Amino acid sequence: QQQVKQSPQSLIVQKGGISIINCAYENTAFDYFPWYQQFPGKGPALLIAIRPDVSEKKEGRFTISFNKSAKQFSLHIMDSQPGDSATYFCAASKDDYKLSFGAGTTVTVRA
Amino acid sequence: ETGVTQTPRHLVMGMTNKKSLKCEQHLGHNAMYWYKQSAKKPLELMFVYSLEERVENNSVPSRFSPECPNSSHLFLHLHTLQPEDSALYLCASSPGRGRFYNEQFFGPGTRLTVL
Repeated sequence: QQQVKQSPQSLIVQKGGISIINCAYENTAFDYFPWYQQFPGKGPALLIAIRPDVSEKKEGRFTISFNKSAKQFSLHIMDSQPGDSATYFCAASKDDYKLSFGAGTTVTVRA
Repeated sequence: ETGVTQTPRHLVMGMTNKKSLKCEQHLGHNAMYWYKQSAKKPLELMFVYSLEERVENNSVPSRFSPECPNSSHLFLHLHTLQPEDSALYLCASSPGRGRFYNEQFFGPGTRLTVL
């Protein structure tokens, strides 16, 4: 049973556009929601993370929006650049060592 | 070396071979993880070690055998693997304490092909 569902599977955006990736979860005990970015041939790298005490977190061009009542969170990439082309994974964790990952979204930014 | 390193980066083995994957973290973390990454699937957690003690074994077949001799090193011993075990094997570490205890940092992975 997949605990975190991620959509879309892939998306294409023009340079300067906004990329939006959505994740939904079922377990209300989750209290940590990170996003990872993975380039081909590399391991995932932590991009940004949020805890449920805030509804939004912004770091540079990357923003997480969190809706606790809907059990959803999303990643917005503003002013998308070709260097942002990668696979993005959302994840969720409760008060233990386990991260439940989404299946990933491949983002392609066209110049 | 910085961060999390993994060797080898690529490995091709037959089903009767025995090989080992190595992971080393240079972050002073207390917890280490093995994940399996297959195409179009979520990362699958295999094992978790905290302070050299295994705290999670996620129903992984016995042909995968982890070893954690100290908090900086983690091994995955492989024997009699199947072709469906071909995947990218990722190692990660996390502080294991404090507010960011489960903030995980990944290595580059070992691309394993089983013939």
